Amino acid sequence: EVQLLESGGGLVQPGGSLRLSCAASGFTFSSYALSWVRQAPGKGLEWVSIISGSGGSTYYADSVKGRFTISRDNSKNTVHLQMNSLRAEDTAVYYCAKGNGYSVVTLCDPWGQGTLVTVSS
Amino acid sequence: QSALTQPASVSGSPGQSITISCTGTSSDVGGYKYVSWYQQHPGKAPKLMIYEVSNRPSGVSNRFSGSKSGNTASLTISGLQAEDEADYYCSSYTSSNTLVFGGGTKLTVL
Repeated sequence: EVQLLESGGGLVQPGGSLRLSCAASGFTFSSYALSWVRQAPGKGLEWVSIISGSGGSTYYADSVKGRFTISRDNSKNTVHLQMNSLRAEDTAVYYCAKGNGYSVVTLCDPWGQGTLVTVSS
Repeated sequence: QSALTQPASVSGSPGQSITISCTGTSSDVGGYKYVSWYQQHPGKAPKLMIYEVSNRPSGVSNRFSGSKSGNTASLTISGLQAEDEADYYCSSYTSSNTLVFGGGTKLTVL
């Protein structure tokens, strides 16, 4: 069974940094791209970032480009999202989701349970 | 990348059918067969219900079906049941090798 478990969320002040992690199990980790998707309180889903199976290709939403960095450690079956220069509008539940291919992601399945990031002073 | 356009809400009575639309552009919905639909119950993670426009993952009821015409994709739920009440989101692969989601549709079963 594929499982994804996010961690690292919490309360951070505007301008601060936070590093999210997603631990995966149940599949050949290095063979699949992974995505981060967020959901602000009471709002819809917003795609944030994708990383290819090797980690060599990464993509970001314009709203986080230059502030967020996605990475992965295939030896530990873990993907990370380093979030810098955080803003109030980054407040959201952040989900990790498995892609369906090595470098191209056309869907997210399954999803982790999410981790809440709150940016507030 | 602009979000795909979905109606904010739809409703139907048990046993009825409803359809949720999802409109994008030729750079996403219209350009690829990679439209997915997700169901999200309150406080839960999204669940994949339809992929590649009209395919159902194993375990998803055949009451859920998908289609696409031009830049608009649709999710149809037939034989509405109380447990179908949830938020539904469409998503599409884009020409930038990214994903884009719709704004979400709240389904109310009357």
